[in-house]
Amino acid sequence: DIVMTQTPLSSPVTLGQPASISCRSSQSLVHSNGNTYLSWLHQRPGQPPRLLIYKISNRFSGVPDRFSGSGAGTDFTLKISRVEAEDVGVYYCLQATQFPWTFGQGTKVEIK
Amino acid sequence: EMQMVETGGGSIQPGGSLRLSCAASGFTVSTYMSWVRQAPGKGLEWVSTIDDIGGTYYADSVKGRFFISRDNSKNTLFLQMNNLRAEDTALYYCARAINGMDVWGQGTTVIVSS
Repeated sequence: DIVMTQTPLSSPVTLGQPASISCRSSQSLVHSNGNTYLSWLHQRPGQPPRLLIYKISNRFSGVPDRFSGSGAGTDFTLKISRVEAEDVGVYYCLQATQFPWTFGQGTKVEIK
Repeated sequence: EMQMVETGGGSIQPGGSLRLSCAASGFTVSTYMSWVRQAPGKGLEWVSTIDDIGGTYYADSVKGRFFISRDNSKNTLFLQMNNLRAEDTALYYCARAINGMDVWGQGTTVIVSS
């Protein structure tokens, strides 16, 4: 199984400042079809998760452009250029390249 | 608007069975669809996926006990859960599994306890 490891697990951030979350996979996420099925989701307390980024760097519909994804192979990063209050919650990476699909442990973002 | 509504959760004794349903609107379930669960205070755990041609995939923790299916005529996804264990206690979400998991329901709670 592919293990997804996120760092940090907790990230206190200042409003208006940038934030970054790393996700590392135990093996390459490049699918045989050439795509890399690494996505990022955000979950606010008491809410279902919502998709932010898919296939490494594609912003989902309606996601603000302060969110960006990057990376390749086994190392991926989610960046928030300027954190807003609504960005608090837990962020998860997900690999859907190989079954069983696996999530990272989650990174809790809170305001300092 | 794309939407999914899960039903069928509840409290049940270990060894029992439940069938979760996920009614979709605004899109067809005849695509990649998944179930994901979240134990109280824990992270997300992928449970099962059915692909666009009916192939099914399961987490090792539920293999042989849970079965995913869909009824295209009712535009509904199902999860049959048998031989339930205490560790299956969680909030169960259905999700459309296109481009990651792009549409989510609100979830239905399953509590397995004697």
